[in-house]
Amino acid sequence: KQEVTQIPAALSVPEGENLVLNCSFTDSAIYNLQWFRQDPGKGLTSLLLIQSSQREQTSGRLNASLDKSSGRSTLYIAASQPGDSATYLCAVSIGQAGTALIFGKGTTLSVSS
Amino acid sequence: DAGVIQSPRHEVTEMGQEVTLRCKLISGHNSLFWYRQTMMRGLELLIYFNNNVPIDDSGMPEDRFSAKMPNASFSTLKIQPSEPRDSAVYFCARGPARGGRVTGELFFGEGSRLTVL
Repeated sequence: KQEVTQIPAALSVPEGENLVLNCSFTDSAIYNLQWFRQDPGKGLTSLLLIQSSQREQTSGRLNASLDKSSGRSTLYIAASQPGDSATYLCAVSIGQAGTALIFGKGTTLSVSS
Repeated sequence: DAGVIQSPRHEVTEMGQEVTLRCKLISGHNSLFWYRQTMMRGLELLIYFNNNVPIDDSGMPEDRFSAKMPNASFSTLKIQPSEPRDSAVYFCARGPARGGRVTGELFFGEGSRLTVL
């Protein structure tokens, strides 16, 4: 059974710091991996999608990497800002497109000004 | 905008009452997912549909839960009778639009927060 773990559960940093969020999964047979952002009381916003054949994806100050063989992904946030404060969720797809995602419990990030 | 409209956004009800959560998609989609989020268990998949057909409902907690997708733009999740442990935020999510590139990316609605007293 696929399990997704995110470490740390919570993180507080001052504005301007670069930071890394970690995600690990137990079964390397994944179709893709996605990182989401969730603001309090809101739904999930997709940040980055990495297909199983890819090693990384970048969007602005965000960079996500994928190492399928070791069952790990990292989300790198450069020059953090207070607006980055949110919960970040990692999810893996265990089948082809159109099948479900298995989520980690998230890392809650707080960036202070 | 994810193109996923959920209603109601908040519902407070008493134990034993029937609850119906709704999900409307702005345009037709091949796949639709229902998730439940709690502090203890995080996000859990309840059921998902492909081409309006339920594919995997193994996450539906009990027979008290049922879901339908009568057409490509609408789905309901029903709980009857509701219990306090059903209190959670219920999310509906869609895959790419019909005819769009299939990437596996999901787009979520803003959720329905259910409180059962």
